[in-house]
Amino acid sequence: AQKITQTQPGMFVQEKEAVTLDCTYDTSDPSYGLFWYKQPSSGEMIFLIYQGSYDQQNATEGRYSLNFQKARKSANLVISASQLGDSAMYFCAMSPSGGYQKVTFGTGTKLQVIP
Amino acid sequence: DTEVTQTPKHLVMGMTNKKSLKCEQHMGHRAMYWYKQKAKKPPELMFVYSYEKLSINESVPSRFSPECPNSSLLNLHLHALQPEDSALYLCASSHLAGGLTDTQYFGPGTRLTVL
Repeated sequence: AQKITQTQPGMFVQEKEAVTLDCTYDTSDPSYGLFWYKQPSSGEMIFLIYQGSYDQQNATEGRYSLNFQKARKSANLVISASQLGDSAMYFCAMSPSGGYQKVTFGTGTKLQVIP
Repeated sequence: DTEVTQTPKHLVMGMTNKKSLKCEQHMGHRAMYWYKQKAKKPPELMFVYSYEKLSINESVPSRFSPECPNSSLLNLHLHALQPEDSALYLCASSHLAGGLTDTQYFGPGTRLTVL
């Protein structure tokens, strides 16, 4: 069984500042992937970033980076230089490797960027 | 291009109506998914199709009937729904990456209201 924990229901960040959204996970699968999705109020789930469990380096995608600490089972999302458009719900998720797999989502963190 | 399209964007239906939700992707993905998402909750998996065959049914009531006419299209037929079925319905697709972890790409969703 897999479990994702997001302990921050809501967060505020000043525009142009960096923010870290926390995510811890638990799994017995030897190989897995970790994801972050952004969901604005419009509803679409937007894929942001992926980290494989065997990847040696932390994933980065533009202003998004994933701080992966395997021993601590954490996969925190760092957003640099926050923008007003970053205000949204953010979900951490994980999935075992291999074909189609059930994705386990965390409960989400609502981020609000303040001008 | 990582676009998944869904129609309609909004749907209001009575409990005796029959309606269908449509999802389309042209990324060559071979797995497609239906999720249900209630407000302020993470998405819940309903169905998974891989290579146009139903692979996972998460014990969804029979008033929801999925259909995958071809590798690009996924439908969700709705009949005799209940007010508690009102939710955002999200479609997703993924490549089916063999031993690797698949990334699911989501559509914008259909907001369903059952009166």
